[in-house]
Amino acid sequence: DGGITQSPKYLFRKEGQNVTLSCEQNLNHDAMYWYRQDPGQGLRLIYYSQIVNDFQKGDIAEGYSVSREKKESFPLTVTSAQKNPTAFYLCASSKLPNQPQHFGDGTRLSIL
Amino acid sequence: GESVGLHLPTLSVQEGDNSIINCAYSNSASDYFIWYKQESGKGPQFIIDIRSNMDKRQGQRVTVLLNKTVKHLSLQIAATQPGDSAVYFCAENHKGTYKYIFGTGTRLKVLA
Repeated sequence: DGGITQSPKYLFRKEGQNVTLSCEQNLNHDAMYWYRQDPGQGLRLIYYSQIVNDFQKGDIAEGYSVSREKKESFPLTVTSAQKNPTAFYLCASSKLPNQPQHFGDGTRLSIL
Repeated sequence: GESVGLHLPTLSVQEGDNSIINCAYSNSASDYFIWYKQESGKGPQFIIDIRSNMDKRQGQRVTVLLNKTVKHLSLQIAATQPGDSAVYFCAENHKGTYKYIFGTGTRLKVLA
């Protein structure tokens, strides 16, 4: 079955540490996205990529970085510059704009 | 446990009754709308979508209504079941762009 796989499900970060969240899709979708979900708020866009080797900042990109070296993969790095990283992170993909986004089951990041 | 649903408006319905969940969207230029269901600890799951050239669309047990005049979207769930208990939120897409705006969500509780 096609889908989006995020790993790990839970992640803990020490102060000053960078951590990388994995997102892999086998839906053959061109576009991939990273969102942050906080209690009581709608999903907020961190970064998105329309095509391999290209990505754009979303609304809250500060303290995060991404790469898109393969169509199937869109890893997100939460850097030490992100001072409030505790959140639920969701990866999504879509074939085109104006089509449904498919989501993974998220990674919950917490601070040690 | 999952804390995404804290502080959200809650709709409680009896099993077997119909549910109506509402969403006000923000941009009159949005032309594509999606309803998602999110269960605790999981990623959002696509339920149904509608484009701005339609007022109503029906799926299996679900109906989405779009009122462009007042920028309002609703999701109707017929014969609500315990498995429908989740957080529901809408998303709007601006014409041809890759960016979506997500609502904060409504928690649906189905009472046995």
